[in-house]
Amino acid sequence: EAGVAQSPRYKIIEKRQSVAFWCNPISGHATLYWYQQILGQGPKLLIQFQNNGVVDDSQLPKDRFSAERLKGVDSTLKIQPAKLEDSAVYLCASRLGGADNQPQHFGDGTRLSIL
Amino acid sequence: AQSVAQPEDQVNVAEGNPLTVKCTYSVSGNPYLFWYVQYPNRGLQFLLKYITGDNLVKGSYGFEAEFNKSQTSFHLKKPSALVSDSALYFCAVRAGAGSYQLTFGKGTKLSVIP
Repeated sequence: EAGVAQSPRYKIIEKRQSVAFWCNPISGHATLYWYQQILGQGPKLLIQFQNNGVVDDSQLPKDRFSAERLKGVDSTLKIQPAKLEDSAVYLCASRLGGADNQPQHFGDGTRLSIL
Repeated sequence: AQSVAQPEDQVNVAEGNPLTVKCTYSVSGNPYLFWYVQYPNRGLQFLLKYITGDNLVKGSYGFEAEFNKSQTSFHLKKPSALVSDSALYFCAVRAGAGSYQLTFGKGTKLSVIP
């Protein structure tokens, strides 16, 4: 089966600019996650969707970050305006749902560098 | 709050020797535990999970992990290391049924020396 697709793979912007990332989960996966992975750390959950509804966005900096999954499939994550501390890899993951013990499957991420 | 500790930033092991990557956790209730591996410039790949049942869990690429409830540990093991096992390994925990948030450790870099 095709894996989780993310684009772009790399993005360089200046602080205060805007940026958007795209994710296409594995077909049929109802649950979608966005993580932020700062260099030297484990992934940190930003937001979780179940179909097109938000389940958990408690760690999403809502003053500058937003995410949507309008049709319950693809998702976009936006940062506006970007700060230097937003430099990180942004990972998208999806999960089949249903059985509670299904693992998450990750895309290769988007590496964001803020100048 | 749930948390994961990976006490070693780096583990070095000679090719052919057994390897262990350590993980301890803190969570309310029964834990769901996972190991993931990350190669350079790639996303995380699922290796294995413990949900319930046998304390020794077998996963992909010859890896296994042992769940120890009394020590709240879930160490990753492999009997004979390969150079290709060199990567970043992450342990993760969820608080069991009905919980959605997965908390990751900071990762352990495994280097297998030829």
